[in-house]
Amino acid sequence: EAGVAQSPRYKIIEKRQSVAFWCNPISGHATLYWYQQILGQGPKLLIQFQNNGVVDDSQLPKDRFSAERLKGVDSTLKIQPAKLEDSAVYLCASSLVQGRTGELFFGEGSRLTVL
Amino acid sequence: DAKTTQPNSMESNEEEPVHLPCNHSTISGTDYIHWYRQLPSQGPEYVIHGLTSNVNNRMASLAIAEDRKSSTLILHRATLRDAAVYYCILRANSGYALNFGKGTSLLVTP
Repeated sequence: EAGVAQSPRYKIIEKRQSVAFWCNPISGHATLYWYQQILGQGPKLLIQFQNNGVVDDSQLPKDRFSAERLKGVDSTLKIQPAKLEDSAVYLCASSLVQGRTGELFFGEGSRLTVL
Repeated sequence: DAKTTQPNSMESNEEEPVHLPCNHSTISGTDYIHWYRQLPSQGPEYVIHGLTSNVNNRMASLAIAEDRKSSTLILHRATLRDAAVYYCILRANSGYALNFGKGTSLLVTP
């Protein structure tokens, strides 16, 4: 079974530039999450989708971050304009809400460096 | 959300058992206890979860205190590949996201 795919794996940009990350969840998984992980910290939830609807985006900095999940499958997370403090790994995860454990499956992440 | 408390780091020798503690004194009756781990340069991965009874799977065992205010993840024979950050997380139901803390960084030495 293919896992959660993310791209790009690495991205370096200058502050005030924009960047987009893409995520393809495991086939059939209705729930998709984006997490931000700053070095030395645990992952922090940015947004949770159920199919193509937003369940929770309370911690998403909406003045610069946006996310969409068209057709309830792939998702894109965008940052515009980027700040130095956005340097982090952006993790995408998916889950079967009705599964036995509700286990989250994570991708390898996209590492962003803002200079 | 109910919070968990874990030691920042622990160290173990290879092939010895490891007991990773987690305190969750404000746990509610419907909270499940989940454990995930994150290997270097990878996303977190599921380890085990439980509600009241002790649980075993191929990766680890989970021992839950009778009052549910603490739990312990047990790795029966640590290997070098078990070196990771281990997160103890409370989750009300499978529809909710996971709220990660800082976890415990486990160092395994040969």
